[in-house]
Amino acid sequence: QVQLQQWGAGLLKPSETLSLTCSVYGGSFSGHYWIWIRQSPGKGLEWIGESNHNGITHYNPSLKSRVTISVDTSKNQFSLKLTSVTAADTAVYYCASFGYTSSAVEDWGRGALVTVSP
Amino acid sequence: DIVLTQTPLSSPVTLGQPASISCRSDQSLVHRDGNTYLSWFQQRPGQPPRLLIYKISNRFSGVPDRFSGSGAGTDFTLKITRVEAEDVGVYYCLQATQFPYTFGQGTKLDIK
Repeated sequence: QVQLQQWGAGLLKPSETLSLTCSVYGGSFSGHYWIWIRQSPGKGLEWIGESNHNGITHYNPSLKSRVTISVDTSKNQFSLKLTSVTAADTAVYYCASFGYTSSAVEDWGRGALVTVSP
Repeated sequence: DIVLTQTPLSSPVTLGQPASISCRSDQSLVHRDGNTYLSWFQQRPGQPPRLLIYKISNRFSGVPDRFSGSGAGTDFTLKITRVEAEDVGVYYCLQATQFPYTFGQGTKLDIK
């Protein structure tokens, strides 16, 4: 299992870019997909997207035009950028690991509340 | 997108008694590789979700054996043999068979 520590700006104005980073401690950086999930009262848990250590990404089509997930293998970190945010993007954002063997979300960061407000 | 529907939405249970949560998919969750990627999570208040069960019935590391998963195709069940106080929270199913992966809407488990 890995430990995930995430950080980033928590208050944004509409049209700004959300930016979050997650550091991975322990385990194998190349042994998982690195994912972002968000949780809001209105939409529940929503899969945003994922990247492997080589930068191969898959994004939820509902967010694809605005999302970028990138990895930095030299720092064992991965990041999320979401452009042109609106109030609908207000949520708790989690970074997490997706295990190749389990094909499940194994470890989660603590979550970061991001609020979009004028 | 695959829609997962959980029932019940709320489940008050007595300590020491069993509990059961259903997750129904609007499409088969059998992947072309033959596996079924259905997992279950527990979320306690103020915490991130925690993986309990993966691929229908496999308990994740450290998960008590009072938790079990079953099912096939489109119908899946999470069972707790004897509910303990620490089991209070919201339970979610997740399908990772077809992208975008999707979650059920959650079932709140609390003590009567």
